[in-house]
Amino acid sequence: EAGVTQFPSHSVIEKGQTVTLRCDPISGHDNLYWYRRVMGKEIKFLLHFVKESKQDESGMPNNRFLAERTGGTYSTLKVQPAELEDSGVYFCASSQEDRGRFYNEQFFGPGTRLTVL
Amino acid sequence: DAKTTQPPSMDCAEGRAANLPCNHSTISGNEYVYWYRQIHSQGPQYIIHGLKNNETNEMASLIITEDRKSSTLILPHATLRDTAVYYCIVRVARNNAGNMLTFGGGTRLMVKP
Repeated sequence: EAGVTQFPSHSVIEKGQTVTLRCDPISGHDNLYWYRRVMGKEIKFLLHFVKESKQDESGMPNNRFLAERTGGTYSTLKVQPAELEDSGVYFCASSQEDRGRFYNEQFFGPGTRLTVL
Repeated sequence: DAKTTQPPSMDCAEGRAANLPCNHSTISGNEYVYWYRQIHSQGPQYIIHGLKNNETNEMASLIITEDRKSSTLILPHATLRDTAVYYCIVRVARNNAGNMLTFGGGTRLMVKP
């Protein structure tokens, strides 16, 4: 079974440009999460989808970030316009729906390393 | 969610047991202890979780003290591939709402030959 995949693995852009990151969760996983680690900091939660709905977007830093999950399958995270402080590694994770199981572990992708120059 | 404290780094000899401590003195009765790890250039990986009883799976064992204020993750026979940052996370187990993970600084475990 394929794991969580993310594209691209690396992206280098200039300040002010737009970048779109993609995440393909494990097939059948309703929950999809975005996290990021900026330089020297801890991994931080950004937002959580349940199917196509945003369940929690409390971690989104500002309105330059837009996440979508049309159709409840893959998700995109767009940064527009990118700023220097957006540089870091962006992780996507997915987990099964809650079917009465107590805890559904989150499976993480390898991340996208974003560098804004 | 309760705050956790972990040593920033530890070394372990290959083949020996690695014991990673975590303090969570403000843990509430309905909060669980979870462990994830991040191997270099990979995403975090779930290891194990528990409430108050000791737990064991194919990857590790989790020992939680009786007062639940601290716990230890045990890798019984550490290999070089276990070199990673290990995160202890304490949180209430929830359903679809509020399932995000809060990562701290973790413990950087270096397994040496």
